[in-house]
Amino acid sequence: DGGITQSPKYLFRKEGQNVTLSCEQNLNHDAMYWYRQDPGQGLRLIYYSQIVNDFQKGDIAEGYSVSREKKESFPLTVTSAQKNPTAFYLCASTPDRGHITEAFFGQGTRLTVV
Amino acid sequence: AQSVAQPEDQVNVAEGNPLTVKCTYSVSGNPYLFWYVQYPNRGLQFLLKYITGDNLVKGSYGFEAEFNKSQTSFHLKKPSALVSDSALYFCAVRRSYGGATNKLIFGTGTLLAVQP
Repeated sequence: DGGITQSPKYLFRKEGQNVTLSCEQNLNHDAMYWYRQDPGQGLRLIYYSQIVNDFQKGDIAEGYSVSREKKESFPLTVTSAQKNPTAFYLCASTPDRGHITEAFFGQGTRLTVV
Repeated sequence: AQSVAQPEDQVNVAEGNPLTVKCTYSVSGNPYLFWYVQYPNRGLQFLLKYITGDNLVKGSYGFEAEFNKSQTSFHLKKPSALVSDSALYFCAVRRSYGGATNKLIFGTGTLLAVQP
């Protein structure tokens, strides 16, 4: 079945550590996105990528980094510079940047700082 | 600035009664509007969208939404609520951002609680 796979489902990070969240899609979608979800704040865009080897900052990119070396993969690294990383992280994709299409979402990764 | 507002943090409704989850938007140009549903610790599932055409849009699981340009609203509705409809609902509007497309701005979400 086609879809978006995020791993791990739960992740614990110690203070000062970098961690990487995985996002893989087999939908052949061009564009991929990372959102952060906090209670009462909805979803906020961290980074997005429209094509391989290209990505742009979203609204809250500070303390995060991404790469897009393959069409299928868009990993997110939460660096030690992100002071409040505890949140639910959602990866999404859309078929083509030129169309008005709905986004497909993964099941999310819950990151907790311990 | 382009934005979307969901004025109710929570909506309570009895099973079998009609439900409405409100959404208003602010966007330059023609809006592209979406509703998503989220169950606990899960990703978002697409329900329906308005791009152009008929103001009444029908979607998944019996949901529908009415686009009202004069009131800049896109309220989600269902004639008869089910307990299984209880979830977090997000309204979203597409914006253009430096030439990129398919960028979504989300509301803060409305928790729908359907009592048996």
